[in-house]
Amino acid sequence: ETGVTQSPTHLIKTRGQQVTLRCSSQSGHNTVSWYQQALGQGPQFIFQYYREEENGRGNFPPRFSGLQFPNYSSELNVNALELDDSALYLCASSSPLFGGYTFGSGTRLTVV
Amino acid sequence: TQLLEQSPQFLSIQEGENLTVYCNSSSVFSSLQWYRQEPGEGPVLLVTVVTGGEVKKLKRLTFQFGDARKDSSLHITAAQPGDTGLYLCAETGANSKLTFGKGITLSVRP
Repeated sequence: ETGVTQSPTHLIKTRGQQVTLRCSSQSGHNTVSWYQQALGQGPQFIFQYYREEENGRGNFPPRFSGLQFPNYSSELNVNALELDDSALYLCASSSPLFGGYTFGSGTRLTVV
Repeated sequence: TQLLEQSPQFLSIQEGENLTVYCNSSSVFSSLQWYRQEPGEGPVLLVTVVTGGEVKKLKRLTFQFGDARKDSSLHITAAQPGDTGLYLCAETGANSKLTFGKGITLSVRP
């Protein structure tokens, strides 16, 4: 069984640009969550997708948006990038049967 | 929003020593998970505790959930360099959202 795969692993963007991060969930997992982890902090919940619908959102502005596809893979889009958006973005997948989360290795985003 | 406090924030010890780290909250946890995160990787689930007073063991790691379900501890016996990493506690909330603490950075010197 494959784990959670995220791409790209590293990314450098300029302030004001837009970025799309991608996540392939673990086989059999139908729920995908995205987290932002700033340096020296624990991950913070951005939002969660279940069956292609957003079913939970953290305290992030609307310029953070997402999608989930029929194969349960997911995208995180961030518009109008700000310097404070520099962080490790983690994707986690789960299923009701599994009851836990499997995290990907993350995408390190640097905004300059 | 529940706040999770982890302590100590940083810990540097010699190989073979024992250590205990803590995760506390002002309110009751529904359930609590401990993760370990290594540099450049995502968090890896170590354990989930649900019942007050519960104790779980994972090789040299012992996890305890407080009777009132407002605190948890992680004890490592005879620490090894491979135990080095960021230890995160997280509470499972509505819609299975995880709320993490800031983490404890553990360094085990050979």
